[in-house]
Order: sequence, then structure tokens, then C-alpha cells
Amino acid sequence: GQQVMQIPQYQHVQEGEDFTTYCNSSTTLSNIQWYKQRPGGHPVFLIQLVKSGEVKKQKRLTFQFGEAKKNSSLHITATQTTDVGTYFCLGNAGGTSYGKLTFGQGTILTVHP
Amino acid sequence: EAQVTQNPRYLITVTGKKLTVTCSQNMNHEYMSWYRQDPGLGLRQIYYSMNVEVTDKGDVPEGYKVSRKEKRNFPLILESPSPNQTSLYFCASSLSGTHGETQYFGPGTRLLVL
Repeated sequence: GQQVMQIPQYQHVQEGEDFTTYCNSSTTLSNIQWYKQRPGGHPVFLIQLVKSGEVKKQKRLTFQFGEAKKNSSLHITATQTTDVGTYFCLGNAGGTSYGKLTFGQGTILTVHP
Repeated sequence: EAQVTQNPRYLITVTGKKLTVTCSQNMNHEYMSWYRQDPGLGLRQIYYSMNVEVTDKGDVPEGYKVSRKEKRNFPLILESPSPNQTSLYFCASSLSGTHGETQYFGPGTRLLVL
């Protein structure tokens, strides 16, 4: 079945440093979504990427979808303490395999002031 | 306000004592699902439902049951809880279960099984 690997599992940064998390799928994806979970909270949708090579930006966050649509990254420039939390990717295989969803394991980001 | 609600938010129970965690959404979503979140393992899908009376297993269904008698409700049932089911549980819903839809999560239920 489909697997989505996300690395790193943990990332500790000083405030102002950059941060990147990566998701790699064993199969080609129709789209990929990114979610953020604040400490003590629930996952909240950030963005969706659909096209091969797509790049989207949200302020200091840059999201990329690989050319082969099997990998994706989330990059945060100049982290702030408000960026702390766990970032998850959700890879959607498309086709008839809807219903069952597989999230990446998540990357826990800690930002030291 | 559009939302997914879960009850209870916190629960401490003992091994073998049946429990139910309720999930309700007010967005008229067809698709609902349950996840458990454990350190280092991320969000793992337990069960999902494409519509009323339609449910199917996710990646970790053992020890859990679900039902979908109404569109808005999707309770998670632990018939005989065991300590390895101690976890943080999330219910989620989306419009129709089509790939690419936003998943809306409930606030979570933290379960401790002694």
C-alpha cells in the first residue's frame, strides 16, 4: 500500500533560523496537503499542491511539489516562536483509492527564542 | 460555526471497560474518519466512513469498532480497551471523501487505559 515517509522527526532551531521538512511517497501522488498542529491542538489545513513542480508561498512558508509528484517539502524562512508545532503531510494517491488516507509521521518543530 | 466536536476530551478508564468516544460534525460532510496519534508514529487512520452505513478499515483497526447511523455522527467504540490503546484520538471529516478535500479535525480525545 501507499506509504508516505516524512523527515526529520524532530527539528530544534533558534529563532530566526530556517526550517525544512520533507515528505516522500512510494507512489505517485495526485496531490499533497500540509497540516499544522500547534501544541495541545488539532491538525489544521495549510495548503494543497496539485501540479508537478508546483511552488506556493504563504508569507514565510514555501511549499514545493516534486516534478515526479512523489515528494514535497515545506520550508519556513526565519522561524518565529509562533511556528512551533507538528507539521504533517497528507499524500493523496487519487484514482479509485479514495477513502483511506495516509499521513506522514510528522515533524515536530521547536523554536528556541 | 462549522466544526467537528468530540466527547469526552479526556478519559481515564481501566482495561476491559467498554467505552465510546463520540464525534459529530455540523458541515453535512459525507466522509468521516478516526485517527490515533502516538509519539513518533504520527496520525494513523483507524476507520473511515464514506457515508451513512458505509464504513471501512484504515491502517490500525484492531480493537476498535465504528458505526455511521447518521450523517453527522461517527462514534468510536472500544469494546475491551487495553493499555496499548492509550493514545490521543482525532475525528475528522471532509465533504465527500474525494482526494484533495480539506480534512477538518475535532479537538481530540486523550485516552488513558490503566
